[in-house]
Amino acid sequence: DIQMTQSPSSLSASVGDRVTITCQASQDISNYLNWYQQKPGKAPKVLIYDASNLETGVPSRFSGSGSGTDFTFTISSLQPEDIATYYCQQFHDLPTFGGGTKVEI
Amino acid sequence: QVQLQESGPGLVKPSQTLSLTCTVSGGSISSGGYYWSWIRQHPGKGLDYIGFIYYTGNTYYNPSLKSRVIISLDTSKNQFSLKLSSVTAADTAVYYCARERSSRVHYFDYWGQGTLVTVSS
Repeated sequence: DIQMTQSPSSLSASVGDRVTITCQASQDISNYLNWYQQKPGKAPKVLIYDASNLETGVPSRFSGSGSGTDFTFTISSLQPEDIATYYCQQFHDLPTFGGGTKVEI
Repeated sequence: QVQLQESGPGLVKPSQTLSLTCTVSGGSISSGGYYWSWIRQHPGKGLDYIGFIYYTGNTYYNPSLKSRVIISLDTSKNQFSLKLSSVTAADTAVYYCARERSSRVHYFDYWGQGTLVTVSS
């Protein structure tokens, strides 16, 4: 299985801050990388697909970049409603998820 | 708007079979372009992929669970189901059904709300 290593596992930031999360794959996955947001008690919601494409309806403060083994997810200006856990997920092989990053204010 | 809803027992005894059904509304599971998937999340942990079924009946299972998993389709009811046999406490988790886009892009675009299944005697 392809292992996805996310960092940090948690972070605390202020409203308006720029937040960056990284995800590293154990092997080259091209751009087969998605990012999800999960709020407590809810199902995950896709924000970014194919590493950098914003899902319809998702605010433009969310963005993604990277290819190969190293990927970055950014919230350009953190909002109170962005409090959640964020997961990366690869689709190059059997789908696997990163361990998650809990974002707090 | 596509909606998915899991249903099934919330408590299963060890060594028995966990059975869940996902009812899909707002779209047909008989149309191509999507994999109908199951994913689970252990309490306070990350997400684990269980497998999917395509409208043709083709399936794919996570090798780590393959010997215990069956995913099936009931197109007349627009449902798909998960059976996981010989369960242990390690199978206690929130189980989600989800639709995976299977064309040029691949991601889970619609999810059920999730259902907690506890394995305990």
